[in-house]
Amino acid sequence: AQKVTQAQTEISVVEKEDVTLDCVYETRDTTYYLFWYKQPPSGELVFLIRRNSFDEQNEISGRYSWNFQKSTSSFNFTITASQVVDSAVYFCALRGRNTGFQKLVFGTGTRLLVSP
Amino acid sequence: DTAVSQTPKYLVTQMGNDKSIKCEQNLGHDTMYWYKQDSKKFLKIMFSYNNKELIINETVPNRFSPKSPDKAHLNLHINSLELGDSAVYFCASSQGIPGQTSSGNTIYFGEGSWLTVV
Repeated sequence: AQKVTQAQTEISVVEKEDVTLDCVYETRDTTYYLFWYKQPPSGELVFLIRRNSFDEQNEISGRYSWNFQKSTSSFNFTITASQVVDSAVYFCALRGRNTGFQKLVFGTGTRLLVSP
Repeated sequence: DTAVSQTPKYLVTQMGNDKSIKCEQNLGHDTMYWYKQDSKKFLKIMFSYNNKELIINETVPNRFSPKSPDKAHLNLHINSLELGDSAVYFCASSQGIPGQTSSGNTIYFGEGSWLTVV
């Protein structure tokens, strides 16, 4: 079975603070893909990043960075110098061979509130 | 240009009615999906179509009937609406062939359709 756990239900920070959103996944697949999506208050789902299971290199994109560690089955997301516009619900998700790659299994999301 | 577009964005209807949500993607993808987001924000797949062929039906009540006239469109028709059907419905698409690693490609979502059944 595949499962994604986002233990942090809600995080509140003050602008300019750094914040890390945790994601732990479970899968028996050796080939799988991990994703992060952002859902701002307007409601759409915005793709942020995709990583495959063979690429553990960390990635940085502006203020965003991702730490993928297969040893701990984690794919954490850090926002540096947070801004009010970062306020959103963030979802971690997994696609694996076990389900023919057809299913994107989501975590329950972490609501990030950034106050001025 | 909107990549995955769905209409209507908001829909309020009475119990027992039948309604449809339309979805179109202009990304040239061959796989399309419907996902449901409940009141607790939990997202779960409902259906997946590849080149108009049903791939996944995730134990959704048969009141929900997806229709894919071509690979760029996947519409969702809901019969006899119930209060519990109130949710946000997301259409999505991706490129890839079922069962192959290319199916790990990114899934792109539409803006969502907010359905409220009263």
